Amino acid sequence: KQEVTQIPAALSVPEGENLVLNCSFTDSAIYNLQWFRQDPGKGLTSLLLIQSSQREQTSGRLNASLDKSSGRSTLYIAASQPGDSATYLCAVAPFNNAGNMLTFGGGTRLMVKP
Amino acid sequence: GAGVSQSPSNKVTEKGKDVELRCDPISGHTALYWYRQSLGQGLEFLIYFQGNSAPDKSGLPSDRFSAERTGGSVSTLTIQRTQQEDSAVYLCASSLEGFYNEQFFGPGTRLTVL
Repeated sequence: KQEVTQIPAALSVPEGENLVLNCSFTDSAIYNLQWFRQDPGKGLTSLLLIQSSQREQTSGRLNASLDKSSGRSTLYIAASQPGDSATYLCAVAPFNNAGNMLTFGGGTRLMVKP
Repeated sequence: GAGVSQSPSNKVTEKGKDVELRCDPISGHTALYWYRQSLGQGLEFLIYFQGNSAPDKSGLPSDRFSAERTGGSVSTLTIQRTQQEDSAVYLCASSLEGFYNEQFFGPGTRLTVL
């Protein structure tokens, strides 16, 4: 059974810092990995999707990397801003013919202080 | 260009009552997923619909839970004889057909069972 772990569970940084969020998964047989952002009381906003054949994806100040063989992904946020404060979730889709249902990590709760 | 919508946004019910939660996926998305987010369990998969195929119900926690998707579009998640442990945020997501496609989430329905 796939298990996804995110470290740290919570992180507080001053504005302007570069930071890295970590995600690890136990089964490397995945189709893709998605990073999401969730604001309090809201749904999930997709940030980046990395296919299993890719090593990284970039969007603005965000860069996500994937090392499938070691079961790890990182989300790098450059020049953090107070508006980046949210919970960040990573999720993996299994490599099977049954569907693309995601297994989620527990999330990292990020606070960026002005 | 509407995203995934869900209704109601909040539902408070008494233990033992039945509830129905609705999801309207993005137009043209053939895949639809239901997930549940609760404090103790994090975010977990419930059920998956793909086109006209039989749904994957492997994530449903008990036979009190059921879902249907009419006309390949709108989906309804029904919980019968609700229990307090059913209290959670129920999230719906949709995607284009295919295993590599990004899932887009709705805002969720917060269910509270008293």
